[in-house]
Amino acid sequence: QITLKESGPTLVKPTQTLTLTCTFSGFSLTTSGVGVGWIRQPPGKALEWLALIYWDDDKRYSPSLESRLTITKDTSKNQVVLTVTNMDPVDTATYYCSHHLIDRIFDSWGQGTLVTVSS
Amino acid sequence: QSALTQPASVSGSPGQSITISCTATSSDVGNYNYVSWYQQYPGKAPQLMIFEVSNRPSGVSNRFSGSKSGNTASLTISGLQAEDEADYYCSSYTSSSSLLLFGGGTKLTVL
Repeated sequence: QITLKESGPTLVKPTQTLTLTCTFSGFSLTTSGVGVGWIRQPPGKALEWLALIYWDDDKRYSPSLESRLTITKDTSKNQVVLTVTNMDPVDTATYYCSHHLIDRIFDSWGQGTLVTVSS
Repeated sequence: QSALTQPASVSGSPGQSITISCTATSSDVGNYNYVSWYQQYPGKAPQLMIFEVSNRPSGVSNRFSGSKSGNTASLTISGLQAEDEADYYCSSYTSSSSLLLFGGGTKLTVL
């Protein structure tokens, strides 16, 4: 059974850097074809894909946010970390991490963590 | 820029069938067979309902089906039930630099 859980601050100030950790179980990020992605959802709005990291350390980012995003993995800890620099109130959202396979895109999701950006 | 367009809302009565469309502004959906659909209840994480256009993960009711024609993918829910009331999102890969896209979401109301 695949499980994922997001952790990190619930409140950040404008201009600060957000660091979120996704801790997972039930799969290995060393298995060919496997990836972990981050998706966010502002309150009352649609899902937005942010970043993906693959088993071979290939990394992909949403072009609109690429300059502010960094995704890394620690396979020994079964964790994926997303950093978002220069946070702004418009970045207030629930941030999800998800197991990724090319054919299913995102087939297992964490519960999400709400991050509020406010001074 | 690529985008996936969904109707903001659809509704239907119990027992009826409804279809939610997902139209790509470019050839993204048409070129790929990797279209997925997600169901999301308020305050909950999305759940995969359809992958590869028309495949259901184990445990998903066969009342849910997917299809694609040209640049438009569709999710059909037959025999509507009250529990189907939720938001539905499509997603697809894109050949542009965006890589992955989500649709704007559709709120399904069961009357």
